[in-house]
Amino acid sequence: GQNIDQPTEMTATEGAIVQINCTYQTSGFNGLFWYQQHAGEAPTFLSYNVLDGLEEKGRFSSFLSRSKGYSYLLLKELQMKDSASYLCAVRDPNTNAGKSTFGDGTTLTVKP
Amino acid sequence: GAGVSQSPSNKVTEKGKDVELRCDPISGHTALYWYRQSLGQGLEFLIYFQGNSAPDKSGLPSDRFSAERTGGSVSTLTIQRTQQEDSAVYLCASSQTGGGYTFGSGTRLTVV
Repeated sequence: GQNIDQPTEMTATEGAIVQINCTYQTSGFNGLFWYQQHAGEAPTFLSYNVLDGLEEKGRFSSFLSRSKGYSYLLLKELQMKDSASYLCAVRDPNTNAGKSTFGDGTTLTVKP
Repeated sequence: GAGVSQSPSNKVTEKGKDVELRCDPISGHTALYWYRQSLGQGLEFLIYFQGNSAPDKSGLPSDRFSAERTGGSVSTLTIQRTQQEDSAVYLCASSQTGGGYTFGSGTRLTVV
């Protein structure tokens, strides 16, 4: 099976930078996703990492270290609308395609 | 279609009744997934369809749950003899093989 750990809650200030960590323990590795979920809405895809390093996409970046079983999502220039739950998901290494196991999510609150 | 469409958006049913939840994925997406999310919880995998392959049913919690996907497109999740613990938001997602998920808006199921 797969075990995914994320902090339950984080708080940050508008305009600041926040890093949301995710650690995973799996028997293999086949890619890691980050999703954003606003309250009462469905998750939306943010990023995908399969190789070590940093993937940057505007204000959001995602980092992966496969040897450490570790990823983080970095949010810069925080805005109030970034208040949401952020879900880390690891693709099942035993399938040829996309079934993923999700962490319980990190609820980020951005304060003025 | 332009996005993943789920119906109904809300369903209230009496304990013991059967319910059917429908998902219409993005045209051309070969993979389709069902997850459920209880209030404040992470996403729990239910079932996964990939092309013409046999579905991965490993997440279905009991034999009261079943799903089918007709013609490689629309999927129906059926819950028989509903119980109160079945109350949750049922999320459908689709993807290209190995890609990030696009989620539907979900069906909020309440069993009374």
